[in-house]
Formats: sequence, structure tokens, C-alpha cells
Amino acid sequence: EAGVTQFPSHSVIEKGQTVTLRCDPISGHDNLYWYRRVMGKEIKFLLHFVKESKQDESGMPNNRFLAERTGGTYSTLKVQPAELEDSGVYFCASSYGLAGVETQYFGPGTRLLVL
Amino acid sequence: QQQVKQSPQSLIVQKGGISIINCAYENTAFDYFPWYQQFPGKGPALLIAIRPDVSEKKEGRFTISFNKSAKQFSLHIMDSQPGDSATYFCAARNNAGNMLTFGGGTRLMVKP
Repeated sequence: EAGVTQFPSHSVIEKGQTVTLRCDPISGHDNLYWYRRVMGKEIKFLLHFVKESKQDESGMPNNRFLAERTGGTYSTLKVQPAELEDSGVYFCASSYGLAGVETQYFGPGTRLLVL
Repeated sequence: QQQVKQSPQSLIVQKGGISIINCAYENTAFDYFPWYQQFPGKGPALLIAIRPDVSEKKEGRFTISFNKSAKQFSLHIMDSQPGDSATYFCAARNNAGNMLTFGGGTRLMVKP
């Protein structure tokens, strides 16, 4: 069974440009999460989808970030326009089921560098 | 404000030794405490997890010790091996939602 996949693995863009990150969760997982790790600090929660609905987006830093999960399958996270402080590793995770403490399976991350 | 504090930031242990990583939290609404292991270029992977109704959980060489009154929990790696060299993250889940709150991570190096 394929794990969580993320694309691209790395992205280098200039300040002011737009970047779109993609996450494909494990098949059948209703829950999809986005997290971010900035400059070696802790991994921070961004938002949580249940199927195609945003369950919790309390961690989204500002309105330059837009996440979508059309059809409840893959998800995209768009940063527009990108700022220097957006650099970091963006992780996607997925879990099965609508509640409980099901394991969150993480993808390898997208390393974003904004110059 | 960091809700889960993890220490040390880095740790060097000799092969065969015991690695100990500590975490502390403030939020009493946390009800699930997983530890994740991350190798370079990979995403974090669940290693072991505990609920606050037990004080210890052991899986192979990995043990979580949990002190609810002190709001602290720790990971012990017995007989540490070079293959255990990785970054370890403690985390906590709030009973009101599914999001994980992570500690800052510990880079463990086990010397042969």
C-alpha cells in the first residue's frame, strides 16, 4: 500500500511568487492534515480536512495560504504571494476514520525555500 | 508559546547505552501522546504512543514513561543502536480535535 506522497519534494521560489504544494493521502483516509516546520523549530499544525470539508484551519498563518481538497482525495496548499518567512518543510499527513486517535501517517514533506 | 517542550535538542549516546528524551506539557486537555521518529529525507513515522491512564508503555527497546501529575512524559531507548540515529518528536493531541502539537525535536546520534 502506497504511503502519503507529496509533490514537489523541493521548491525554490522568489519572494512574491506563487507556489502550490500537493498531497496525496493514503487511499481511504478521510482525514488529511497539513503541518509546517520552520527553521528547525517544532512542527506546527496548519489545518485539517475531513473528506472535502475544512474541519479546523486554526493554524493557517494568514490569508496568503489557501488549502483545498476537491472531491475528498488529494489536497493542494497554495501560497500566494510567498514571503521569506514561509520557508520551511511542509508536511502532509492522513489518517483513517472520522474520530479518535487513529495514527497520522506523514508524507516526506516539501522543502520550500523563498529567496 | 510552545505548548509541548522537549529536551534535549541533541543527544549523543554510545552504542548499547540508554537514550532518554523528555517532554513536558501544560494543556490538561491533551489525551494522547505519540512519539514520532524521523530519518533524513523522510517524514515523521509513529514510533510508540501512550494514553494518560497508564504510566508506562513498552514496545521492544522503546519505552514511554508518563507522569500525569507532573505533566511530563519521556522516551527511553534501551540498547541504543546506530540505526536509531534520527530526530525524535514528542507530540500531544487535544481531546477536542485531531491536531497534534509537537515538541521541538531531539536529534539523536548513536555512536558505534
